[in-house]
Amino acid sequence: QVQLQESGPGLVKPSETLSLTCTVSGGSISSYYWSWIRQPPGKGLEWIGYIYYSGSTNYNPSLKSRVTISVDTSKNQFSLKLSSVTAADTAVYYCARKTYTGYLSDWGQGTLVTVSS
Amino acid sequence: EIVMTQSPATLSVSPGERATLSCRASQSVSSNLAWYQQKPGQAPRLLIYGASTRATGIPARFSGSGSGTEFTLTISSLQSEDFAVYYCQQYNNWLLFTFGPGTKVDIK
Repeated sequence: QVQLQESGPGLVKPSETLSLTCTVSGGSISSYYWSWIRQPPGKGLEWIGYIYYSGSTNYNPSLKSRVTISVDTSKNQFSLKLSSVTAADTAVYYCARKTYTGYLSDWGQGTLVTVSS
Repeated sequence: EIVMTQSPATLSVSPGERATLSCRASQSVSSNLAWYQQKPGQAPRLLIYGASTRATGIPARFSGSGSGTEFTLTISSLQSEDFAVYYCQQYNNWLLFTFGPGTKVDIK
């Protein structure tokens, strides 16, 4: 069974860029789609975007101007960059595997990113 | 954007009782609907996909039904480990996947 693990800074300053990496183990990243989802403290889930192993992407329109998702198949990793962050971007960020049908079959444990000076 | 709504927001149930959770889409999503369970401090876990297919390892007491705009998740006999928040998600619109706000199932 595939396992996913998020990594990256837990604290980011306002106006800076949030950067996270998801490492996939137990399977190849060179299949399926790979997604990022976030959850502000005490709130619901928000889909950020996904990437196919070939590099094609799709982003939530509300975040599209600030989001970049990339993939490194040689490292079995994919990454998230979110620019110009504000306190509203404080959340637990999850990476997940998205099936060809569209549902999210496997999730990382999540990592809390706080935006604060 | 397809807006997902869930009801009730909180459901208080006694162990052993049946729980029925509802999810509604603002437009048809066919059967492209998934349910996830989230316990405090944990990541969501896939329960149901295709509106009614249980994911691998999910107990038979969980069942999903519906199509189009109206969906239901039923837990036939609540166990202590089932008290959690449940989210529905549509994946019919690949330009924007959306989740419902969640239903919290707590102990009565």
